Amino acid sequence: DGGITQSPKYLFRKEGQNVTLSCEQNLNHDAMYWYRQDPGQGLRLIYYSQIVNDFQKGDIAEGYSVSREKKESFPLTVTSAQKNPTAFYLCASSSKGLAGRNEQFFGPGTRLTVL
Amino acid sequence: QKEVEQNSGPLSVPEGAIASLNCTYSDRGSQSFFWYRQYSGKSPELIMFIYSNGDKEDGRFTAQLNKASQYVSLLIRDSQPSDSATYLCAVVPLMNRDDKIIFGKGTRLHILP
Repeated sequence: DGGITQSPKYLFRKEGQNVTLSCEQNLNHDAMYWYRQDPGQGLRLIYYSQIVNDFQKGDIAEGYSVSREKKESFPLTVTSAQKNPTAFYLCASSSKGLAGRNEQFFGPGTRLTVL
Repeated sequence: QKEVEQNSGPLSVPEGAIASLNCTYSDRGSQSFFWYRQYSGKSPELIMFIYSNGDKEDGRFTAQLNKASQYVSLLIRDSQPSDSATYLCAVVPLMNRDDKIIFGKGTRLHILP
């Protein structure tokens, strides 16, 4: 059963703590992405990776870090430097198909709340 | 800055009518266009993609692309209450070396029973 999984579904963080959100895919996709979505807002790109052991900053990378040690996995760490981390975090993946025809598929998301 | 614009809504449509959602984009060379549906509290789900000018139909959904006017639309025929959701338009820019997609902020659709 192919797909993208994210865990946990809900996460509560105390101020000053680092937390790591998990994202795993078994679609054999090369590219993976992390987005943040705030209430009533669009998707904002945090980090993305086109290949193992390589990743690039998106539009709002400050206060976040990632790793891509395996093709299937792209964990996101929300550090204490992120001033307002409460949001809905979405992981996505896409294959490198025909030029431009790389639709993204999303995991179920993790809702992070800072207490 | 490449942009994708959508009316935020809410767009209210009676059950059984046609819902029409519109999206404009700034990068004239954009090559791929997607529509995602997002229910409240859930993640986006890809429902349509279109690459060429014209119409593409899939069940009750029709995507329309007009590259000359730089707009893409989504028509939902025989609207159902289950179609109530936010619809995100997404565009792949011309120089897409890094596999990124530009998302609009979405249009909230409300189907009135």
